[in-house]
Amino acid sequence: GQNIDQPTEMTATEGAIVQINCTYQTSGFNGLFWYQQHAGEAPTFLSYNVLDGLEEKGRFSSFLSRSKGYSYLLLKELQMKDSASYLCAVDTSGTYKYIFGTGTRLKVLA
Amino acid sequence: DTGVSQNPRHKITKRGQNVTFRCDPISEHNRLYWYRQTLGQGPEFLTYFQNEAQLEKSRLLSDRFSAERPKGSFSTLEIQRTEQGDSAMYLCASSLTGQGRNQPQHFGDGTRLSIL
Repeated sequence: GQNIDQPTEMTATEGAIVQINCTYQTSGFNGLFWYQQHAGEAPTFLSYNVLDGLEEKGRFSSFLSRSKGYSYLLLKELQMKDSASYLCAVDTSGTYKYIFGTGTRLKVLA
Repeated sequence: DTGVSQNPRHKITKRGQNVTFRCDPISEHNRLYWYRQTLGQGPEFLTYFQNEAQLEKSRLLSDRFSAERPKGSFSTLEIQRTEQGDSAMYLCASSLTGQGRNQPQHFGDGTRLSIL
C-alpha cells in the first residue's frame, strides 16, 4: 500500500526555525513535493526533491533521503503568515498523480 | 499567467441532485487533475487527463462521478445522485509535462460542495 506520514500539528514562535517531517512508504518514487495550504485556499507549491540532499529556496529548505523514505521541510525566520497546513506529496508512478499526506497544521505564535 | 480557475467556489445542493463543476487550467498546461479534500485531510487523487484523454481514474471514483476534458482545455466534473459523503472540497490542478523535470502541479482554489 501507499503510506505517507506527517505530524498532525506543530507550534512554533515567530522568528524561530521549525522542521516538519514526512516519511513515506510507496510502491514507487518519482519525486516528493511540499505544498503550503492556508485555510480555504489552494495548495501552493513550495519545493520539489527527487535526488537525495537539500534544496534551498529563501526561507524554505527541503531535504530528501530516498533510502530512508524520509523528507523534511525547514522553515526559517518564521512569520505569522507561515501559519498554514504543510502537505507532503509523493509522485509514485511517474504519471504525475500525487499521493498526499494528511498535512501538518503549523501555528506560529507571536 | 492567470492561474487555475474553478467555478463555482461554493455549491450547496440537496441529496440526490446532480452537480457539475468546471476547471480552467493554466493555458499551456497539458495535464489536468481532479482531487477531493475533506477537512483535516490531504487531497485524494480522483482522475487526470493528458490533453483530452482521461488516463487514470481512482477507485474512489464511483460510477456516479464522471469527468471530461473535451477539447483538452477546460474540464468538468459531474456528480450524479449526490450523497452526504460527497461533501468535500473538489480541487483541480494542472501541470506541464515534457520539460525533462517533474513539473509541479498548480492548484485552483477549489469548489466546496455541501450536501443537505
